[in-house]
Amino acid sequence: KAGVTQTPRYLIKTRGQQVTLSCSPISGHRSVSWYQQTPGQGLQFLFEYFSETQRNKGNFPGRFSGRQFSNSRSEMNVSTLELGDSALYLCASSLEGAGYGYTFGSGTRLTVV
Amino acid sequence: AQKITQTQPGMFVQEKEAVTLDCTYDTSDQSYGLFWYKQPSSGEMIFLIYQGSYDEQNATEGRYSLNFQKARKSANLVISASQLGDSAMYFCAMREGFGYNQGGKLIFGQGTELSVKP
Repeated sequence: KAGVTQTPRYLIKTRGQQVTLSCSPISGHRSVSWYQQTPGQGLQFLFEYFSETQRNKGNFPGRFSGRQFSNSRSEMNVSTLELGDSALYLCASSLEGAGYGYTFGSGTRLTVV
Repeated sequence: AQKITQTQPGMFVQEKEAVTLDCTYDTSDQSYGLFWYKQPSSGEMIFLIYQGSYDEQNATEGRYSLNFQKARKSANLVISASQLGDSAMYFCAMREGFGYNQGGKLIFGQGTELSVKP
């Protein structure tokens, strides 16, 4: 059974540019969540999508957005990149319902220069 | 607001010995779930063990067990017979939002870096 796949693994972008990250969940998982991990702030929730709808959103500026497609694949977009956006971005998928854990991908390491 | 506290930034353990990683949580919800994840240097978060708030028995998964003390709001991870491959960051997390179709998110602690010595 394939795990959660995130692409690309590494990315270097320049300040002011925009970036799109991709996440393919485990087959059958309809919930996809995104997290940002930095040394200073730790792991922070960005947003969650379920059946193509954003169901929960963390406390991030509007430059961070996402979407989910009908096959549950998800993308997140960061516009007007800032140096502080450099982080490991983790995607997680889950079955619906209480008690189900989240399976994470290997992450995309974004560096903004 | 829900909060997870891991007070041990770093821990050392001798190979083949047991180690306990501490985790305390704060929530006003009656229903919640607690998770432990391992993050090696590669970055991937690996699920280790889960404990539901209504589970009466402590969860166990192979060498991992969760010492759940609800009244004290603690959910410590115990790793028995440590192996060199256990060296990694360990995160305690709580699921916020627990009902079906409510979605949810994980609240993470700051992590504990475990180093296993040969």
